[in-house]
Amino acid sequence: DTGVSQDPRHKITKRGQNVTFRCDPISEHNRLYWYRQTLGQGPEFLTYFQNEAQLEKSRLLSDRFSAERPKGSFSTLEIQRTEQGDSAMYLCASSQDFSEQFFGPGTRLTVL
Amino acid sequence: KNEVEQSPQNLTAQEGEFITINCSYSVGISALHWLQQHPGGGIVSLFMLSSGKKKHGRLIATINIQEKHSSLHITASHPRDSAVYICAVLRTGNQFYFGTGTSLTVIP
Repeated sequence: DTGVSQDPRHKITKRGQNVTFRCDPISEHNRLYWYRQTLGQGPEFLTYFQNEAQLEKSRLLSDRFSAERPKGSFSTLEIQRTEQGDSAMYLCASSQDFSEQFFGPGTRLTVL
Repeated sequence: KNEVEQSPQNLTAQEGEFITINCSYSVGISALHWLQQHPGGGIVSLFMLSSGKKKHGRLIATINIQEKHSSLHITASHPRDSAVYICAVLRTGNQFYFGTGTSLTVIP
């Protein structure tokens, strides 16, 4: 399967802990996006990369959130000092330039 | 006010009915996407439009740039079409904005 993959699929953590999610995009795609989706809402844009450069960050991305794509391939999203309000589905998508985006299955985070 | 508004929020239809979901947006865009999300979270991109009309099987998407409006039509609806349909716009500043989705249930 050469689609977008995300790991882990589910993460339960205690408030105050740090968590890191990984996204592996479709290999030939140069753009990688992170979104957050809470129950009953549409996804919200967090940030995106073109190759290894992080080109845009939403104001939703507080200082506790950091994303990297060090070699222009996989990406990681880290949340430090998690809060209960961080509980959501974190979605990754990739595309070649501005073409159609392909989404991963998401990582569901629950902060207790 | 959201930059992207969808209507209706919920829709129940009988199998075979023609379905229309609407999306209005208030910002300048370079493209509009229609996405399908099934229970469990998986999202599939159905269409990407910047003008006119696209058709794929029983699905048709149209966009009117001047009126800042797009519609997704499903002909001969089927229970397997039951899902949440999300409209997303790509702003000219390269940021995506999403509608809250339309939850469609097609009853056999």
